[in-house]
Amino acid sequence: GENVEQHPSTLSVQEGDSAVIKCTYSDSASNYFPWYKQELGKRPQLIIDIRSNVGEKKDQRIAVTLNKTAKHFSLHITETQPEDSAVYFCAGNAGNMLTFGGGTRLMVKP
Amino acid sequence: DSGVTQTPKHLITATGQRVTLRCSPRSGDLSVYWYQQSLDQGLQFLIQYYNGEERAKGNILERFSAQQFPDLHSELNLSSLELGDSALYFCASSAAGVPYNEQFFGPGTRLTVL
Repeated sequence: GENVEQHPSTLSVQEGDSAVIKCTYSDSASNYFPWYKQELGKRPQLIIDIRSNVGEKKDQRIAVTLNKTAKHFSLHITETQPEDSAVYFCAGNAGNMLTFGGGTRLMVKP
Repeated sequence: DSGVTQTPKHLITATGQRVTLRCSPRSGDLSVYWYQQSLDQGLQFLIQYYNGEERAKGNILERFSAQQFPDLHSELNLSSLELGDSALYFCASSAAGVPYNEQFFGPGTRLTVL
């Protein structure tokens, strides 16, 4: 089955700096890679996703890049703000299920 | 508010007991997914139902079972509970049976096994 690894597990940045979270996956058949943000005590919410026929996708301050050959994808957040502080999860699909990475706790210091 | 509802919000029970968690998907969504999130852990996929039929199975223990009813709500049954079953259980719903439709998560049920 699919195995998704996520790094780093914690990330601390200064407000205004950029943050990058990286994930690798094992199943070359995976073709959908969503990113979820989970604030403390709340539900995960989709923030951006990318399909395997696209190399990069951007939505305001958030971008995701995908390298199918190397089987890794990354989340980039620019101009970080304190409200970006949360746990971020990447995921990859294997058939009909999503396999999530272990999560990255992002802390944005004002 | 995602439109996905889960009950109860909190559940405290003893080892060996059995509990049922309930999920109502967003209006029109046919797929329901169940996830387990232990303390400081990631999201572990348990099982997926699509329009009443089991579609995919993850690392779900034999002590756990689920079903989706004709009105599309779903229940997750956990039996012979152990301390390690204490976790946050999320359900999510999506419009179709494939994972590249956005999954909308419910608020979760926090299960504490004493």
